Amino acid sequence: DTGVSQNPRHKITKRGQNVTFRCDPISEHNRLYWYRQTLGQGPEFLTYFQNEAQLEKSRLLSDRFSAERPKGSFSTLEIQRTEQGDSAMYLCASRGVANTGELFFGEGSRLTVL
Amino acid sequence: DQQVKQNSPSLSVQEGRISILNCDYTNSMFDYFLWYKKYPAEGPTFLISISSIKDKNEDGRFTVFLNKSAKHLSLHIVPSQPGDSAVYFCAASAGAGSYQLTFGKGTKLSVIP
Repeated sequence: DTGVSQNPRHKITKRGQNVTFRCDPISEHNRLYWYRQTLGQGPEFLTYFQNEAQLEKSRLLSDRFSAERPKGSFSTLEIQRTEQGDSAMYLCASRGVANTGELFFGEGSRLTVL
Repeated sequence: DQQVKQNSPSLSVQEGRISILNCDYTNSMFDYFLWYKKYPAEGPTFLISISSIKDKNEDGRFTVFLNKSAKHLSLHIVPSQPGDSAVYFCAASAGAGSYQLTFGKGTKLSVIP
């Protein structure tokens, strides 16, 4: 399968713990996005990478959130000192150089903070 | 401030009939619009898109219409099938730059056999 891969698919943690999610984009895609989706809402943009450079960050991305894409391939999203309000589906998407506007999404990583 | 609005949280349609899902936007900079389909426990899947230079795009049973003056777009599914039952998200992009998408809240479509 050459789609966008995310893991873990589910993570349950206690408030105050740190969690990290990984995203492996489609191999030839140089652009990578993180979105967050909560119940009853559409996906909300968090951050964007072009190759290894993080070019945009939403104001939703508080200081407790950090994303990296060290070699321009896979990406990680870390949440420190998790809060119950962080419970959501974290979606990764990628797209190639062609500017068609279409993003290819992974299946998401669901976070539950107790 | 919702820049992309889907005002109908749900829609039920009989199998074989037409499904019409609506979307409104407020940002005049949006110039590319997409529809995504999402099943439970899966990520959104791209369905169809339209550029602001067009007013209609068709792909099989799916047609998207864009009315720029009204800042409104709609997705028509004809004929509707039970497998179309899912949440449909409207999304928009402001073109150059990151091409990040702004999504609506979604409309849950139920196609009744």
